[in-house]
Amino acid sequence: AQSVSQHNHHVILSEAASLELGCNYSYGGTVNLFWYVQYPGQHLQLLLKYFSGDPLVKGIKGFEAEFIKSKFSFNLRKPSVQWSDTAEYFCAVNGNNNDMRFGAGTRLTVKP
Amino acid sequence: KAGVTQTPRYLIKTRGQQVTLSCSPISGHRSVSWYQQTPGQGLQFLFEYFSETQRNKGNFPGRFSGRQFSNSRSEMNVSTLELGDSALYLCASSRGQSSYNSPLHFGNGTRLTVT
Repeated sequence: AQSVSQHNHHVILSEAASLELGCNYSYGGTVNLFWYVQYPGQHLQLLLKYFSGDPLVKGIKGFEAEFIKSKFSFNLRKPSVQWSDTAEYFCAVNGNNNDMRFGAGTRLTVKP
Repeated sequence: KAGVTQTPRYLIKTRGQQVTLSCSPISGHRSVSWYQQTPGQGLQFLFEYFSETQRNKGNFPGRFSGRQFSNSRSEMNVSTLELGDSALYLCASSRGQSSYNSPLHFGNGTRLTVT
């Protein structure tokens, strides 16, 4: 089964700083990749996804992620964070076995 | 359109008891997945159903079981509860046949506390 590693447990940034959250996975076959976000008091929701094609995918609220197949990575980026981006971010991988695996999550705190 | 609905929101049970959690997917979604979320382990996959059939099961003991009904609603059951079963149980539905190529839509979860 696949596994997912998120390198940062808690990231603290000031507004307007750039963000990059790391995500690596282990799986030998074709994967679909996702980032989900959980804002305080809300349910998990999809931020962006990669199925195929352009490895640089754009999601909601200015987020993007780049799939680097050779590095088994799918890092999340945002050029300039806002206070409202404070949330927990989860990377997820599905290797076509109906088994969605999530990373442990990264808590992002943006200071105003 | 209504989102994924999970009931109840909160449950307190005693060790050794059993519990049933319910999930109603978004209308038109036929795939339902269940996850256990804990601070230490994050989100762990329990099982996924499509058209009343279990498509896959995570690494949980047989005390954890589930089913899906013809209207796509799903239930999960945990028997002989242990303290370690205390967690937030999340249900998610997706439009396609599986979570592989169809994003998940999550409910707010059922918070289970075992004492």
